[in-house]
Amino acid sequence: DTEVTQTPKHLVMGMTNKKSLKCEQHMGHRAMYWYKQKAKKPPELMFVYSYEKLSINESVPSRFSPECPNSSLLNLHLHALQPEDSALYLCASSQDLATGKTEAFFGQGTRLTVV
Amino acid sequence: AQTVTQSQPEMSVQEAETVTLSCTYDTSENNYYLFWYKQPPSRQMILVIRQEAYKQQNATENRFSVNFQKAAKSFSLKISDSQLGDTAMYFCAFMKHRGSGNTPLVFGKGTRLSVIA
Repeated sequence: DTEVTQTPKHLVMGMTNKKSLKCEQHMGHRAMYWYKQKAKKPPELMFVYSYEKLSINESVPSRFSPECPNSSLLNLHLHALQPEDSALYLCASSQDLATGKTEAFFGQGTRLTVV
Repeated sequence: AQTVTQSQPEMSVQEAETVTLSCTYDTSENNYYLFWYKQPPSRQMILVIRQEAYKQQNATENRFSVNFQKAAKSFSLKISDSQLGDTAMYFCAFMKHRGSGNTPLVFGKGTRLSVIA
């Protein structure tokens, strides 16, 4: 199983809503990532979890709240978003930030629209 | 900070022909990895090929090969026998390696490749 599964695939939410994006992998990877991608742009790193601990937060606004309940799951909680937060949100995982196993596997992303 | 530059925003190639996508990067690190990822309209980022900086031999993966010039900090991707399914956005990416662990990917801006029948 070399899949990273993200749900939902599409999400439309109002600015006052609270929603969550979910990401799951069963490859035994210990590093997991959230990226934000705007149209025709490269992915921008948001958060990195290593061994279920937050290791990198790229100065992301607090309306985005990541959570790593266990080594297979990564959530991104959304609250009071703005229309400019509309984007494709990609989850990725890799074996371990501290080893030579470097390939990052990506999910299909969640297309988020904030109205 | 590391930067990755892809100077070709868009390219096109005839089916069955060969195309080369350019990528340059800037780093003061000696240990690092370079990647090419493909993102088709289906949105999923797919690893195409990777290169370890300490290896002099250029990586190959079926129809995909790289020309890695460490001194010039250049990492181009050659696609041979182009197929319609190769149509996608291609991102060059950099990851530095340290004793304390690797770091997340740094992406270039991407090259949109269209394969024409």
